[in-house]
Amino acid sequence: DGGITQSPKYLFRKEGQNVTLSCEQNLNHDAMYWYRQDPGQGLRLIYYSQIVNDFQKGDIAEGYSVSREKKESFPLTVTSAQKNPTAFYLCASKTGTSGNTIYFGEGSWLTVV
Amino acid sequence: DQQVKQNSPSLSVQEGRISILNCDYTNSMFDYFLWYKKYPAEGPTFLISISSIKDKNEDGRFTVFLNKSAKHLSLHIVPSQPGDSAVYFCAASSYNDYKLSFGAGTTVTVRA
Repeated sequence: DGGITQSPKYLFRKEGQNVTLSCEQNLNHDAMYWYRQDPGQGLRLIYYSQIVNDFQKGDIAEGYSVSREKKESFPLTVTSAQKNPTAFYLCASKTGTSGNTIYFGEGSWLTVV
Repeated sequence: DQQVKQNSPSLSVQEGRISILNCDYTNSMFDYFLWYKKYPAEGPTFLISISSIKDKNEDGRFTVFLNKSAKHLSLHIVPSQPGDSAVYFCAASSYNDYKLSFGAGTTVTVRA
């Protein structure tokens, strides 16, 4: 089945540690995204990538880093510089030719302990 | 500055009745609008979209209405079912813009 796979589903991190969230898609989509959702809030864009080896900062990129070495993969690293990393993280993707319908993965819960 | 606003954080409706969710936007360059549905601890799923050349789009029980002059759109769910209980997000973008702007969401509860 085609889709977007995020892993791990649940992750605990100690303060001061970096952690990487995985996102893989087999939809042959060009663009990939990382969003963050906090309780009672909407989705805020962290980073996005339109093509391989290229990515742009979203609205809340501070404390995060990404890479796009392959079309299928867009990992997100939450660094120790991120002040409030505990959140629900969503990866998404879309094809570049079918308008703006973005499709989401199942999400990853990150808790800092 | 939030460009997409959902001013009602929650909505409670009886099963079988109509649910009406509202969304306002401020960016006049937006010309493509979407609604997503989200259950707890899951990713949002795409529901329905509308482009600015239309004022209505219907898909089964879901209808989206767009009022460009008022910069307002709404989602109607008729009839509401228990499985419709979820958070609904409104989103908007300019055509071929790679980014979507999301509202804060409206939590819908369908009562038996």
